[in-house]
Amino acid sequence: EAGVAQSPRYKIIEKRQSVAFWCNPISGHATLYWYQQILGQGPKLLIQFQNNGVVDDSQLPKDRFSAERLKGVDSTLKIQPAKLEDSAVYLCASSSQDTYEQYFGPGTRLTVT
Amino acid sequence: RKEVEQDPGPFNVPEGATVAFNCTYSNSASQSFFWYRQDCRKEPKLLMSVYSSGNEDGRFTAQLNRASQYISLLIRDSKLSDSATYLCVVNHAGKSTFGDGTTLTVKP
Repeated sequence: EAGVAQSPRYKIIEKRQSVAFWCNPISGHATLYWYQQILGQGPKLLIQFQNNGVVDDSQLPKDRFSAERLKGVDSTLKIQPAKLEDSAVYLCASSSQDTYEQYFGPGTRLTVT
Repeated sequence: RKEVEQDPGPFNVPEGATVAFNCTYSNSASQSFFWYRQDCRKEPKLLMSVYSSGNEDGRFTAQLNRASQYISLLIRDSKLSDSATYLCVVNHAGKSTFGDGTTLTVKP
């Protein structure tokens, strides 16, 4: 069974530029999560989708971050404009509808200069 | 106070040692609990779910203490390959909150 796919794996941008990340969850997983992980900290939930609806986006900085999950499968996370403090690893995870056991993709390491 | 707290460590133990980590949570209505393992510069991977009655998987034992609001992870006969950061996760009403992790280094 294929795991969670993410791209790109690495991205370097200058502040005020925009960037987008893509995630393809495990086939059949209804729930998709985007996390931000800063070095030395645990993952922080940015947004959670159930199929193509948003379940929780309370910690998403909506003035600069946006996310969508069209057709309830793939998802994209966008940052515009980026700030220095957005430098982090962005992790996508998915889980099936009847469990909260999450499976993570390899992440995108973002550096904002 | 953080919703989920872990001792960051690091825990440095010799091979073959037994080591235990605790994780405390603030929301008494939390429903599901997990331990994840994260290797350096890798994604977190599910290690085990934590059940009310406690559960064991080989050298790993997880316990839940609802009265004191903590979960624990016990690793017996530590291996060099157990070196990693261990993250606890607490779920309430479908929302998962991660701790900041406990770092374990197993030395020869």
